Amino acid sequence: KAGVTQTPRYLIKTRGQQVTLSCSPISGHRSVSWYQQTPGQGLQFLFEYFSETQRNKGNFPGRFSGRQFSNSRSEMNVSTLELGDSALYLCASSLDVTALEAFFGQGTRLTVV
Amino acid sequence: KNQVEQSPQSLIILEGKNCTLQCNYTVSPFSNLRWYKQDTGRGPVSLTIMTFSENTKSNGRYTATLDADTKQSSLHITASQLSDSASYICVVSAVYSGAGSYQLTFGKGTKLSVIP
Repeated sequence: KAGVTQTPRYLIKTRGQQVTLSCSPISGHRSVSWYQQTPGQGLQFLFEYFSETQRNKGNFPGRFSGRQFSNSRSEMNVSTLELGDSALYLCASSLDVTALEAFFGQGTRLTVV
Repeated sequence: KNQVEQSPQSLIILEGKNCTLQCNYTVSPFSNLRWYKQDTGRGPVSLTIMTFSENTKSNGRYTATLDADTKQSSLHITASQLSDSASYICVVSAVYSGAGSYQLTFGKGTKLSVIP
């Protein structure tokens, strides 16, 4: 059974650009959540999707957005990139919103220059 | 505001020794507490998950405890190995049954280094 797949693994963008990251959850999992990890702040919750609907959202500016498709794959988009957006972006999948366990992908390392 | 505090921030131990990592939380409504191991540059991997009614759970050389009254958890690593060098992250889950969603609150982790 394939794990959570995130693409791309590494990305370099310049300030002001936008970026789209992709996450394919484990087959059969319908909940996908996104996290930003930086050395100073640790892991921070971005948003969570279930059945194509955003169920919960963290405290991030509107430049961060996401969506989920009917096959449960999810994308997150960051517009007008800032240097501080440089981070490891992780997604996690769960069977449903009450699932005890979330399985994480390897992450996408975004560097903004 | 939901918060998870971990201590120590970093720890260096000799191979073969035991160690204990601490996690204190204020998360409501509490659903479960998880310990994850994260190797550098990789995604976190689950070690243990405990719900409100569980006070201890083991996974090989890893044993987690939970005191829901004091809102404290610990992760004990026995007979450490070089491969245990990683960040250990305490994560507390809140489930909002009315909204049909959950949210994870993460500690900043304890960076463990096991040296020969």
